[in-house]
Amino acid sequence: GQNIDQPTEMTATEGAIVQINCTYQTSGFNGLFWYQQHAGEAPTFLSYNVLDGLEEKGRFSSFLSRSKGYSYLLLKELQMKDSASYLCAVMDSNYQLIWGAGTKLIIKP
Amino acid sequence: GAVVSQHPSWVICKSGTSVKIECRSLDFQATTMFWYRQFPKQSLMLMATSNEGSKATYEQGVEKDKFLINHASLTLSTLTVTSAHPEDSSFYICSARAGGLAETQYFGPGTRLLVL
Repeated sequence: GQNIDQPTEMTATEGAIVQINCTYQTSGFNGLFWYQQHAGEAPTFLSYNVLDGLEEKGRFSSFLSRSKGYSYLLLKELQMKDSASYLCAVMDSNYQLIWGAGTKLIIKP
Repeated sequence: GAVVSQHPSWVICKSGTSVKIECRSLDFQATTMFWYRQFPKQSLMLMATSNEGSKATYEQGVEKDKFLINHASLTLSTLTVTSAHPEDSSFYICSARAGGLAETQYFGPGTRLLVL
């Protein structure tokens, strides 16, 4: 079966760095997406990785290792507004998005 | 760019009535639109995928006669919840994809449905 694993919840301090991991087992791979979802709102797109390596976009970076079935989202200089759920999603061989359950990130002052 | 709107954002209705939700891509043409449902503190659940001008493809367990999807143009898809019941109360979110199969999905703001 297809499976996406990410931690349920993480806590970090304002100004710090946090890494949210995602491991996946899917039938085929056509890219991995990270989305941010604030409580009560729809997801917003953060990043897309299809090749191995690190993609940096401001305070957020996303890394992919296809051979390990692994990705992480790195958030630097954490701000209170970064408190949200972070969703990892993998596009399989049929171009269907397989969603992880999301990681709830709690930022403390 | 890549803005998707949904209307209404909130709807409260009586059990047995039908509710229509609109999803529009405002600044791009969406060849494919997706409808999701999300219950509190749960994952996104894909309900159906629709391509402009063709019938929607429903996920297993989603009743096509209850959740009617129309994708009449490249910028508009509608979801109609027919004969809504309290268990249909949920957060309904659409997303739209502009071009190829591997293109990013952009989400609308969601519609919160409460069936009394």
